[in-house]
Amino acid sequence: AQSVSQHNHHVILSEAASLELGCNYSYGGTVNLFWYVQYPGQHLQLLLKYFSGDPLVKGIKGFEAEFIKSKFSFNLRKPSVQWSDTAEYFCAVNSGGGADGLTFGKGTHLIIQP
Amino acid sequence: KAGVTQTPRYLIKTRGQQVTLSCSPISGHRSVSWYQQTPGQGLQFLFEYFSETQRNKGNFPGRFSGRQFSNSRSEMNVSTLELGDSALYLCASSAIGGHTEAFFGQGTRLTVV
Repeated sequence: AQSVSQHNHHVILSEAASLELGCNYSYGGTVNLFWYVQYPGQHLQLLLKYFSGDPLVKGIKGFEAEFIKSKFSFNLRKPSVQWSDTAEYFCAVNSGGGADGLTFGKGTHLIIQP
Repeated sequence: KAGVTQTPRYLIKTRGQQVTLSCSPISGHRSVSWYQQTPGQGLQFLFEYFSETQRNKGNFPGRFSGRQFSNSRSEMNVSTLELGDSALYLCASSAIGGHTEAFFGQGTRLTVV
């Protein structure tokens, strides 16, 4: 069975700081990888996704993530965070064939202090 | 383009009762997935329907069931409710499911008392 591990449950940063949220997954085959964000009071939204090709993927709002196959990792990064980035961030994976639902990590609660 | 609509938004039920939640996917989307979100377990996959057929199922007891109609709208049913079923139930729709982008609804907050 697949599993996803997000290392940091709570992260507090100041505006303009750089961000890196860790995500590791366990699955032996081909995977599709996703980062979702949930702003306070809003629904889950897709930040970015990786299916194949360039392991560095760029998403919305200046976020990017790098797929490192040898490390089973898909870390999320942003060079300079803003107060509006305060939200819950979820890493998710499903098998490459897409034959199953998404397996989510437990989430990282990010708080940006002005 | 309207998003994923889930009804009702909030629900309070008594232990032992059953409940039905509804999800209307984005127009043209044929895949609907359901997830349970709780503080302790996080987001867990319940099942996925595509063209009225259940394609995948997560690790939940048989009390959790669902169906999809010809217009792609989906319902999930939980019978013999337990206190532990209190959660936010999320519906996600996608064009064909699998690795295509899933769009989530606001969820139905179910409280079992």
